[in-house]
Amino acid sequence: DAGVIQSPRHEVTEMGQEVTLRCKPISGHDYLFWYRQTMMRGLELLIYFNNNVPIDDSGMPEDRFSAKMPNASFSTLKIQPSEPRDSAVYFCASSLRQAQKAFFGQGTRLTVV
Amino acid sequence: AQSVAQPEDQVNVAEGNPLTVKCTYSVSGNPYLFWYVQYPNRGLQFLLKYITGDNLVKGSYGFEAEFNKSQTSFHLKKPSALVSDSALYFCAVRADTGRRALTFGSGTRLQVQP
Repeated sequence: DAGVIQSPRHEVTEMGQEVTLRCKPISGHDYLFWYRQTMMRGLELLIYFNNNVPIDDSGMPEDRFSAKMPNASFSTLKIQPSEPRDSAVYFCASSLRQAQKAFFGQGTRLTVV
Repeated sequence: AQSVAQPEDQVNVAEGNPLTVKCTYSVSGNPYLFWYVQYPNRGLQFLLKYITGDNLVKGSYGFEAEFNKSQTSFHLKKPSALVSDSALYFCAVRADTGRRALTFGSGTRLQVQP
């Protein structure tokens, strides 16, 4: 298995633009997580899904952030409009209910200028 | 609410010496505890977990961790450090019921000197 696949690996955008981050979880995994990593705040959970349904979105910072999981093999995290303080590395992770541990993608480094 | 504390931002150790990276946690209910490692420009890689059973858990790359319920700790250890162990280490916790997502500590940078 190729593991959790995120795209793009790097994204540079101007303030006010829409940004879409993509994630393909490991096939068969029923949980998907979006995390954000910054120097100041460390690793923060943004949202997670179980069987494509959002379970906990309490970590989503503002209405500018939205996440979808239209099917078991794809999820998006959208920021509209983007701001410089959104600059961070965004990680997607997936796990199987019985296995407990989460597998992480390589992350998308977002820079908003 | 659940939380993880990693009191050391950085740990320095000489190659061949034993290493310890500290972690304490707070959670309602029984804890599921994890250690992950992050190399530069990479995602997090799973090292080991404690769910139940033996308090001493063995994981990847010769690492182990000891669960101590009374001290609410889950310190990561290795008997003999390698230069290649230099990386950022994260401790994480979740309760055995309820919220599925992990709560991570702030991370500890391990620097192993040759």
